[in-house]
Amino acid sequence: KNQVEQSPQSLIILEGKNCTLQCNYTVSPFSNLRWYKQDTGRGPVSLTIMTFSENTKSNGRYTATLDADTKQSSLHITASQLSDSASYICVVSLNRYNNNDMRFGAGTRLTVKP
Amino acid sequence: DTEVTQTPKHLVMGMTNKKSLKCEQHMGHRAMYWYKQKAKKPPELMFVYSYEKLSINESVPSRFSPECPNSSLLNLHLHALQPEDSALYLCASSRSGAEGPYQPQHFGDGTRLSIL
Repeated sequence: KNQVEQSPQSLIILEGKNCTLQCNYTVSPFSNLRWYKQDTGRGPVSLTIMTFSENTKSNGRYTATLDADTKQSSLHITASQLSDSASYICVVSLNRYNNNDMRFGAGTRLTVKP
Repeated sequence: DTEVTQTPKHLVMGMTNKKSLKCEQHMGHRAMYWYKQKAKKPPELMFVYSYEKLSINESVPSRFSPECPNSSLLNLHLHALQPEDSALYLCASSRSGAEGPYQPQHFGDGTRLSIL
């Protein structure tokens, strides 16, 4: 069983609408949680990194939240654009000083339609 | 444009061929990584180099041979691959933990590898 579960698997929304992607994890010990955007045929791009003590972080129209007590995170996308169509991957890192031990979620495939 | 450059973008090879994937970054990062990503799956860590020394080998078959000739360059040498090795191979880099915690990874766009 994957230690990082993302939902939904896929999502279709209309341009201009908001959406929220979910990430639940059971990974321990927890250091930090990352959200990446991966366009088709491209490498992942970092959106946010949140540590245990942070419960929200924004990057433009992307806002991530973290509840370390319930081990849940969400990524909220505001006023979606066609270019937001991509896979969004949640990653939990077990170590603050290296990236050697990370658990990847399977991703949510977002499609934004005009 | 990505700051981590991977070449070639696409590679088709037979099972008896020898080829190499190349990854280059000029951000001064001292940690570099190879990942394998199958379609619709998350990346899987293969190797980690820290200060040009191999620090992690995630039980990867010996037909994959990494090399880090200098702090900017990372190679993955391929020999006698199997059809199941067809995947997107991603390179990433980051600052080392010695420069502070929570360093983000910067990924290249990958090499799409097909084994015939």
